[in-house]
Amino acid sequence: GEEVAQTPKHLVRGEGQKAKLYCAPIKGHSYVFWYQQVLKNEFKFLISFQNENVFDETGMPKERFSAKCLPNSPCSLEIQATKLEDSAVYFCASSQEPNQPQHFGDGTRLSIL
Amino acid sequence: GENVEQHPSTLSVQEGDSAVIKCTYSDSASNYFPWYKQELGKRPQLIIDIRSNVGEKKDQRIAVTLNKTAKHFSLHITETQPEDSAVYFCAASSPPHQGAQKLVFGQGTRLTINP
Repeated sequence: GEEVAQTPKHLVRGEGQKAKLYCAPIKGHSYVFWYQQVLKNEFKFLISFQNENVFDETGMPKERFSAKCLPNSPCSLEIQATKLEDSAVYFCASSQEPNQPQHFGDGTRLSIL
Repeated sequence: GENVEQHPSTLSVQEGDSAVIKCTYSDSASNYFPWYKQELGKRPQLIIDIRSNVGEKKDQRIAVTLNKTAKHFSLHITETQPEDSAVYFCAASSPPHQGAQKLVFGQGTRLTINP
């Protein structure tokens, strides 16, 4: 598609439950990035992919966060055993090449109760 | 790693006046600097970007300047309009040797245009 598509728009989970977010990059874009935006507006990088390969996962809290980009499927970000501090908007972005503009999706607002 | 500082955190200007937002970065190897505009509850939208081999870039009322020596870059909006009200973020891309270049964002500037 012409836009990065993220689903769901809003996800509510109880503390300790699992949350799974999805992202379909723009068609033809090989690079996918996940960012977390917390209430103070600051963006935190989580992970990036080149096609289905993890490129940089230095921002991932590895104990509970995992992500995949499989062929012919939307990319996913999964959080196990969610905590209150996981509440944030999770944005996915894609780009054609590593140093090209990143285009963002509408985000998924994750609320942990 | 890269660190980006952005100032001011809030900025209020009269409609028609100019607005300037400034950012500094720490890693001299960073080579790509985009600016995003984010309206409340919306996605960040790329409004302009600049690469390290260019000192200035302009697109209608928006311009960005880059000083590599001082490691700072600025966004200039002229003839501001109410629809320019939003939060603006600067960003720097991680150095090329680190592969797919994640963006490191500044803290954001809430710009308010007063009619």
